[in-house]
Amino acid sequence: DQQVKQNSPSLSVQEGRISILNCDYTNSMFDYFLWYKKYPAEGPTFLISISSIKDKNEDGRFTVFLNKSAKHLSLHIVPSQPGDSAVYFCAARGSGTYKYIFGTGTRLKVLA
Amino acid sequence: DVKVTQSSRYLVKRTGEKVFLECVQDMDHENMFWYRQDPGLGLRLIYFSYDVKMKEKGDIPEGYSVSREKKERFSLILESASTNQTSMYLCASQGALTDTQYFGPGTRLTVL
Repeated sequence: DQQVKQNSPSLSVQEGRISILNCDYTNSMFDYFLWYKKYPAEGPTFLISISSIKDKNEDGRFTVFLNKSAKHLSLHIVPSQPGDSAVYFCAARGSGTYKYIFGTGTRLKVLA
Repeated sequence: DVKVTQSSRYLVKRTGEKVFLECVQDMDHENMFWYRQDPGLGLRLIYFSYDVKMKEKGDIPEGYSVSREKKERFSLILESASTNQTSMYLCASQGALTDTQYFGPGTRLTVL
């Protein structure tokens, strides 16, 4: 039973346009969410996070939106750059635990 | 910068062999994790440790054990490797007061 789902395995976007990566979760007890980026042959690196008390968090070109009623979060990258081409994982955890549940990942390709 | 290192980038073992995967972090983090990454399945937690000699099972602990004798080192042990344990293994560490996990580069294990 996949508690965190990324239903799009891949996404292609033109350079300069917006990339929107989506993530759905089923557990209403999740209260903290992160996005990680992974390049081939490297470990994932932290990108941006959001707490359930917020509905938006922004860091430069990256913005994460959280819709608790829909149990949905999304990562927006504006403008997209070729260096953003990577696999993106969302992850979620409940309060009082260090255990994160990761999604299956979305491979983003930004075309020059 | 946090550095998480893994003993091998690539490893080839035979069915039935005992396999040790080592992970070392240099940031005095309390928490350490072992994941495996498989296509279409994302990152799945095998074991984690929140202190020296302390461990907890993750989502897929069967066939694995762990050891944490020193704070900076967390080892994953495959007692008798099987072909279905062929995977990318990722180690991560996390401080007690943060939500960010820092990942090593991964070990791609092939069991023949």
